[in-house]
Amino acid sequence: AQSVTQPDIHITVSEGASLELRCNYSYGATPYLFWYVQSPGQGLQLLLKYFSGDTLVQGIKGFEAEFKRSQSSFNLRKPSVHWSDAAEYFCAVGASGTYKYIFGTGTRLKVLA
Amino acid sequence: KAGVTQTPRYLIKTRGQQVTLSCSPISGHRSVSWYQQTPGQGLQFLFEYFSETQRNKGNFPGRFSGRQFSNSRSEMNVSTLELGDSALYLCASSLRLAGDTQYFGPGTRLTVL
Repeated sequence: AQSVTQPDIHITVSEGASLELRCNYSYGATPYLFWYVQSPGQGLQLLLKYFSGDTLVQGIKGFEAEFKRSQSSFNLRKPSVHWSDAAEYFCAVGASGTYKYIFGTGTRLKVLA
Repeated sequence: KAGVTQTPRYLIKTRGQQVTLSCSPISGHRSVSWYQQTPGQGLQFLFEYFSETQRNKGNFPGRFSGRQFSNSRSEMNVSTLELGDSALYLCASSLRLAGDTQYFGPGTRLTVL
């Protein structure tokens, strides 16, 4: 069965520090992979996506993610975190031929000043 | 281009009542998906519509239903509300089928008393 695992429920980093949020997926074929961010009381905003090609994808707000097929991972990174990055981050997998996303349980990011 | 809009943004109902939520997709998008988000279960797929046809359905009881109109606007209905239906209901639209990028609306916060 398809699944997405975000092992870290909460992460706290200091402003200016680097960030890596982990995402592991289980899917038989090549998945479509997404990272979304959700601020309190808001909907989800797309940060970046991977469909095919270059395994390192760049997104908005200075985020990037790397698709590693051998590790079934799609980790999100940012070299220097800003206080405004505090939010909840969701990894999702979609698949060709189906129309639904499967989401991870989310990682809540706290940024210390 | 305007984003996905959802109405109403907030709703309070009592057990046993029914509710209808509305979603207007991004202009030109023909696919609309609905998700339920709760603290305990995270984001769960409800159903997806494309060209007025339900293409996929999640594991929710028959009390949850939806439809899509010829202008791609979608509604979801929940009958005989239960306390556990309290959640943020998110709508997402996409241009095409099959794993295309989904863009989310701000959600409707439903509280069942």
